[in-house]
Amino acid sequence: AQTVTQSQPEMSVQEAETVTLSCTYDTSESDYYLFWYKQPPSRQMILVIRQEAYKQQNATENRFSVNFQKAAKSFSLKISDSQLGDAAMYFCAYRSALTGTASKLTFGTGTRLQVTL
Amino acid sequence: NAGVMQNPRHLVRRRGQEARLRCSPMKGHSHVYWYRQLPEEGLKFMVYLQKENIIDESGMPKERFSAEFPKEGPSILRIQQVVRGDSAAYFCASSPPVGRALDTQYFGPGTRLTVL
Repeated sequence: AQTVTQSQPEMSVQEAETVTLSCTYDTSESDYYLFWYKQPPSRQMILVIRQEAYKQQNATENRFSVNFQKAAKSFSLKISDSQLGDAAMYFCAYRSALTGTASKLTFGTGTRLQVTL
Repeated sequence: NAGVMQNPRHLVRRRGQEARLRCSPMKGHSHVYWYRQLPEEGLKFMVYLQKENIIDESGMPKERFSAEFPKEGPSILRIQQVVRGDSAAYFCASSPPVGRALDTQYFGPGTRLTVL
């Protein structure tokens, strides 16, 4: 079974600064997807960024980028120019590229990000 | 294109009552997933359904919980004889049916169930 580990329960960053959230995972599969979801106080789960394991290039979405290290099974999220609206719980998630019973997402325990003035 | 819709947003039940949670997937999506989030924890997979079929229910408790996704209408997660430990946020997600786009699940706003 796959596992996802987020070792930072809480992180803090000053507005306009950069912060990196860590995520490691364990799998024996070679093809899979990785995601970062954001959960603000409203508790809505919002997709931030996704990475396909067969792609070597790191995904980027505006101020959000990832550092995907497949051999190390590491998938960190970098938030640049942090804004107050980035304050939220961030969850890393894994999904097999297989269909059927492997379609579920496996989540980490989350990192709570605080953004200060 | 409307997102994933869930209702009710908040549901209060007394111990022993039944809870019914509804989920309407995004337009064009035929795959539905249910997840549960206990307080201060991450989301845990419960069940994966396609129209009229349960594909994976490995995360669903064996008793009191059931799910369906009929040909017409929303997906329903049903919890019979609720207990206080069922208090949680229940999230529904949907994904499209074709190609590698199947990989991305889009979440609804969740239903917060409180059992008194």
